[in-house]
Amino acid sequence: DAGVTQSPTHLIKTRGQHVTLRCSPISGHKSVSWYQQVLGQGPQFIFQYYEKEERGRGNFPDRFSARQFPNYSSELNVNALLLGDSALYLCASSFTLMNTEAFFGQGTRLTVV
Amino acid sequence: QKEVEQNSGPLSVPEGAIASLNCTYSDRVSQSFFWYRQYSGKSPELIMSIYSNGDKEDGRFTAQLNKASQYVSLLIRDSQPSDSATYLCALYTNAGKSTFGDGTTLTVKP
Repeated sequence: DAGVTQSPTHLIKTRGQHVTLRCSPISGHKSVSWYQQVLGQGPQFIFQYYEKEERGRGNFPDRFSARQFPNYSSELNVNALLLGDSALYLCASSFTLMNTEAFFGQGTRLTVV
Repeated sequence: QKEVEQNSGPLSVPEGAIASLNCTYSDRVSQSFFWYRQYSGKSPELIMSIYSNGDKEDGRFTAQLNKASQYVSLLIRDSQPSDSATYLCALYTNAGKSTFGDGTTLTVKP
């Protein structure tokens, strides 16, 4: 079975642009969570979607938004990119809302220049 | 104060020894607790989950949870060089929020 897949794997954007990151969960998983990880720190929670509804939101500005589609895949959108948005963006999927047995994708490395 | 605190390390143990990793948290409504392992340049990998007070064992790994003390730990017995990685403590609340610590870097020396 395929694991969690994220695309693209690497991305370079210019300040002020917007970006869309994509995540396909493991088949049968209904929960998708997004995280931002900068070097030397743990993942910071951005959003959780379960059954296509937002179920949790971290302390990120409104420039960050996400959605989940009927097939449970998800997109993370970031508008008006700042240099500080440069990070590894991780997607994790799980079968339940409680994030039990959550599995991470390989991440998208975003560089803002 | 961070919501999840871990010793940053690095923690160094000889091969075959027991490695002890600790984590404290501040949110009393936390429901689920997880330990992840992250190799350099890779994404986190789930090792253990624990939901109730006490010990939970899985092979060489034992997770311990004490909700009264807001403390969760991970013991790795018979440590191997392949266990060298950063270990992340994470918790999840019913409010749909996940919180990770910044991790403890473990080095197992042959």
